[in-house]
Amino acid sequence: ETGVTQTPRHLVMGMTNKKSLKCEQHLGHNAMYWYKQSAKKPLELMFVYSLEERVENNSVPSRFSPECPNSSHLFLHLHTLQPEDSALYLCASSQDNGGNTYNEQFFGPGTRLTVL
Amino acid sequence: AQSVTQLDSQVPVFEEAPVELRCNYSSSVSVYLFWYVQYPNQGLQLLLKYLSGSTLVKGINGFEAEFNKSQTSFHLRKPSVHISDTAEYFCAVYRLTGGGNKLTFGTGTQLKVEL
Repeated sequence: ETGVTQTPRHLVMGMTNKKSLKCEQHLGHNAMYWYKQSAKKPLELMFVYSLEERVENNSVPSRFSPECPNSSHLFLHLHTLQPEDSALYLCASSQDNGGNTYNEQFFGPGTRLTVL
Repeated sequence: AQSVTQLDSQVPVFEEAPVELRCNYSSSVSVYLFWYVQYPNQGLQLLLKYLSGSTLVKGINGFEAEFNKSQTSFHLRKPSVHISDTAEYFCAVYRLTGGGNKLTFGTGTQLKVEL
């Protein structure tokens, strides 16, 4: 596997289900991101992990729970979701040097989530 | 705070015709600017970026963009499009901060190339 991978690619769940999205990066990066992509809206940054610590949480409802067990893996645990949570969830990774330098973010293919 | 505006949600164009996708940004500080492309059922791929230096930036697949500071614009252009360029294109602004690097995206422009 190369780059950033996400599983599953498609997920349909009911509002009472509990499921998890998985992201894995094979690039040796130390920062990982979750984005939500809804139709006709800008990509929304949900969570940022740097060196396995959460450094940003953009007012995301508690029904979304991220987990970063190591620098290569990122999970998004889902429970009691709403239909408006249906979207494409994208994972990305980058190197974070902690200073004023740019490091490209590499994106995975996304998980298409449908909440019934 | 910063924001990105992509005024055109859809741009239809015939194959081999030129195309321009518009992007305007607002920011209180100096910015880095990007264009990403998303093909159907795929993630985002970096097309080109402006960090500093020459205001005309060349990217992959024959695309280029020009940074215009006075007009706060970063429009994407291609002189002759191909069917395979059909995709969604996102303009983004980069915010530097310690602890992860933050991108602010526009709403995207769907480019549809027709025969």
